[in-house]
Amino acid sequence: KQEVTQIPAALSVPEGENLVLNCSFTDSAIYNLQWFRQDPGKGLTSLLLIQSSQREQTSGRLNASLDKSSGRSTLYIAASQPGDSATYLCAVSKETSGSRLTFGEGTQLTVNP
Amino acid sequence: GAVVSQHPSRVICKSGTSVKIECRSLDFQATTMFWYRQFPKQSLMLMATSNEGSKATYEQGVEKDKFLINHASLTLSTLTVTSAHPEDSSFYICSAKGQGSSPLHFGNGTRLTVT
Repeated sequence: KQEVTQIPAALSVPEGENLVLNCSFTDSAIYNLQWFRQDPGKGLTSLLLIQSSQREQTSGRLNASLDKSSGRSTLYIAASQPGDSATYLCAVSKETSGSRLTFGEGTQLTVNP
Repeated sequence: GAVVSQHPSRVICKSGTSVKIECRSLDFQATTMFWYRQFPKQSLMLMATSNEGSKATYEQGVEKDKFLINHASLTLSTLTVTSAHPEDSSFYICSAKGQGSSPLHFGNGTRLTVT
């Protein structure tokens, strides 16, 4: 059974700092990995999707890397802003449709002004 | 862009009653919809997968007679929590996907409180 772990569970940083969120998964036979953002009491917003054949994806200040063989992914956030405060979830899929997801428990990020 | 609408956003009900949650794809045909449950400070757990016009596939440990899922059209799936108990109080989120390699979209969730 696939298990996804995210470290740290919570993180508080001052505005402007660069930071790294970590995600690990036990079964490396994945089709893709996604990073999501969840604001309190809200649904999920997809941030980055990395196919199993890819090593990284970038969108603006966000960069996600994937090391499939070691079962790890990182989400790098550059020049953090208070608006980045949210819970960040990592999810993997084994299916080619990429839609049946196993989620980690998330990292709750607080960026202080 | 594509939007998934989930309704209601919040609902409070009494023990023993049933509650229906709707998930609609607004500008695409959702051939597959997924229902997740999220307890406070925990991850999203997949409850079931529904394909339009067929019976839902439930994950292990999820009672199909308690959580009734109907995906009668390509734009609507409903989750009915029957005979609700306080332990069913949770955040329920749906996601929807079109055909092929189309992306997955999530609703904004429904906070269910059973008193």
